[in-house]
Amino acid sequence: KAGVTQTPRYLIKTRGQQVTLSCSPISGHRSVSWYQQTPGQGLQFLFEYFSETQRNKGNFPGRFSGRQFSNSRSEMNVSTLELGDSALYLCASSLGQGARTGELFFGEGSRLTVL
Amino acid sequence: GESVGLHLPTLSVQEGDNSIINCAYSNSASDYFIWYKQESGKGPQFIIDIRSNMDKRQGQRVTVLLNKTVKHLSLQIAATQPGDSAVYFCAENPYTDKLIFGTGTRLQVFP
Repeated sequence: KAGVTQTPRYLIKTRGQQVTLSCSPISGHRSVSWYQQTPGQGLQFLFEYFSETQRNKGNFPGRFSGRQFSNSRSEMNVSTLELGDSALYLCASSLGQGARTGELFFGEGSRLTVL
Repeated sequence: GESVGLHLPTLSVQEGDNSIINCAYSNSASDYFIWYKQESGKGPQFIIDIRSNMDKRQGQRVTVLLNKTVKHLSLQIAATQPGDSAVYFCAENPYTDKLIFGTGTRLQVFP
């Protein structure tokens, strides 16, 4: 079956703009988590959605938001982009809620560059 | 491919040798640990996990060791192959339903 699909794979934005990233989880997976990966900070948890509800949130400013649709697909949005938002944004899906319930399957990520 | 870290510690091993990748975790309340492998241009891939009621767990060519006393985790890869070249991350889960990732170690396998 198809893995986690993230779109777009690459994008370039300028400071002050906003961006929306999309994630389609593995069929049947109901949990979607988002992570930010940078060389300086490594992999950091953004938020998790399960059954269209945000279940957990990391330590990121309110400019970072997300949502999940009834088909489990998820989007994350970053408003008023800053240079430091340049990163690889990774989406992961799992069958159940939370990292403890089983294996997280990651997508290949969306590479955001902010100029 | 993607660069996941410009200043990662690097482990270089010869093909066929065993590799040991170490990780120190931070939270004494963590009771679930996972090792991930990330190849260039790809997302992290689950390798093996271990719960705190165990000291050792074996998979195919991989073994994870957990020392809760010193908060240390290690991943052993037997008979390392060129396809094992990647960045390896440990992750801990301290009851919060989110994973805390380590900084990663780059494994380079040379013939």
